[in-house]
Amino acid sequence: QKEVEQNSGPLSVPEGAIASLNCTYSDRVSQSFFWYRQYSGKSPELIMSIYSNGDKEDGRFTAQLNKASQYVSLLIRDSQPSDSATYLCAGPFSGGYNKLIFGAGTRLAVHP
Amino acid sequence: DAGVIQSPRHEVTEMGQEVTLRCKPISGHDYLFWYRQTMMRGLELLIYFNNNVPIDDSGMPEDRFSAKMPNASFSTLKIQPSEPRDSAVYFCASSLSPRAYEQYFGPGTRLTVT
Repeated sequence: QKEVEQNSGPLSVPEGAIASLNCTYSDRVSQSFFWYRQYSGKSPELIMSIYSNGDKEDGRFTAQLNKASQYVSLLIRDSQPSDSATYLCAGPFSGGYNKLIFGAGTRLAVHP
Repeated sequence: DAGVIQSPRHEVTEMGQEVTLRCKPISGHDYLFWYRQTMMRGLELLIYFNNNVPIDDSGMPEDRFSAKMPNASFSTLKIQPSEPRDSAVYFCASSLSPRAYEQYFGPGTRLTVT
């Protein structure tokens, strides 16, 4: 099992819908998570961090962490074409270093 | 704040040549990370520094790669000799304790080795 796994997509949703992006992780990853957004040809940008079990909301974004299932998700409400990007899930390596393990990313396409 | 600055933005070189990538982290940040991104392997951590000291270089592919951080405002990643398989986008990121994982990425250097 990869340390952090994501469906590569593309995930296609209509404008205004809810986009649901998912990530699973192994025991080699500690249980706080970070979502980075990467537009094509650009660098990753942190959009959400979640440090405890449950939900965290920030504007149109909600991150959900389920430690029992080793599952983390990002919901984007009222999706806009400007949300079209690759979303990278990342978790800290549990081996004692301050380093992130990134998933391969899910490409999201929001169509008008 | 200017953000993380990387140079050059694009580099095209021939196999066997030395390549040096440069990074200036956000002022005051005490962590600096070097990543490499390819379609095949995604985003991989190569090495990171804390307070200018290399902490984990287990991601450095081989001895052809080296990284230095002579002071808090400058770091280099050197590849010598370069090979076509080194072609990738190299990102530098920085962060501030205690939120080391909340990283700010530079624009990247797109390296092409022919």
